[in-house]
Amino acid sequence: GAVVSQHPSWVICKSGTSVKIECRSLDFQATTMFWYRQFPKQSLMLMATSNEGSKATYEQGVEKDKFLINHASLTLSTLTVTSAHPEDSSFYICSARVGNMNTEAFFGQGTRLTVV
Amino acid sequence: AQSVTQLDSQVPVFEEAPVELRCNYSSSVSVYLFWYVQYPNQGLQLLLKYLSGSTLVKGINGFEAEFNKSQTSFHLRKPSVHISDTAEYFCAVSDSGGYQKVTFGTGTKLQVIP
Repeated sequence: GAVVSQHPSWVICKSGTSVKIECRSLDFQATTMFWYRQFPKQSLMLMATSNEGSKATYEQGVEKDKFLINHASLTLSTLTVTSAHPEDSSFYICSARVGNMNTEAFFGQGTRLTVV
Repeated sequence: AQSVTQLDSQVPVFEEAPVELRCNYSSSVSVYLFWYVQYPNQGLQLLLKYLSGSTLVKGINGFEAEFNKSQTSFHLRKPSVHISDTAEYFCAVSDSGGYQKVTFGTGTKLQVIP
């Protein structure tokens, strides 16, 4: 199947700083990427849908100024957590859909963010 | 809007015993259904999916699921589990029209006991 790679896998940052997470589709072009957040022992919650070359669509309750999403190319989307606080500590997972076809989305391995 | 209910947060089962993980969904439109597995500190791996056709779907690692439209269920089964099946399992649904947003259940932790 198609491969989606996230980087970094783990990151620890100080409160008030910003951190960027990358999501890459390695062997296919992804016009649509999704960003999810997963708190401990909970399910995945969709944060935003990112379409290449346009602004991301955020889910209700997600602060777009805090979670900046950029999808500048067909193989890369980035999520930047700005002015991170301990409550932003979570597991962030991206997924990417192959082109414009109605096919399944492939998931990255996730990024564990810890804000201290 | 769609929703997914996984009633069992944890399911302990002895090795080589059969297991069923339950999933019920609600939706006002036709849906696609999925089961994903997540190992600790890893992303999601697709086990199987129902898009259309036969209601009995076979997936990887010996898992299968049956789509029951009248009961709005998509239970996951395996006739004989292994220690390596210990993981978190998520049921998910998306509408068949867009195949964009996927709504996940709260997950079921399968604990295989040696």
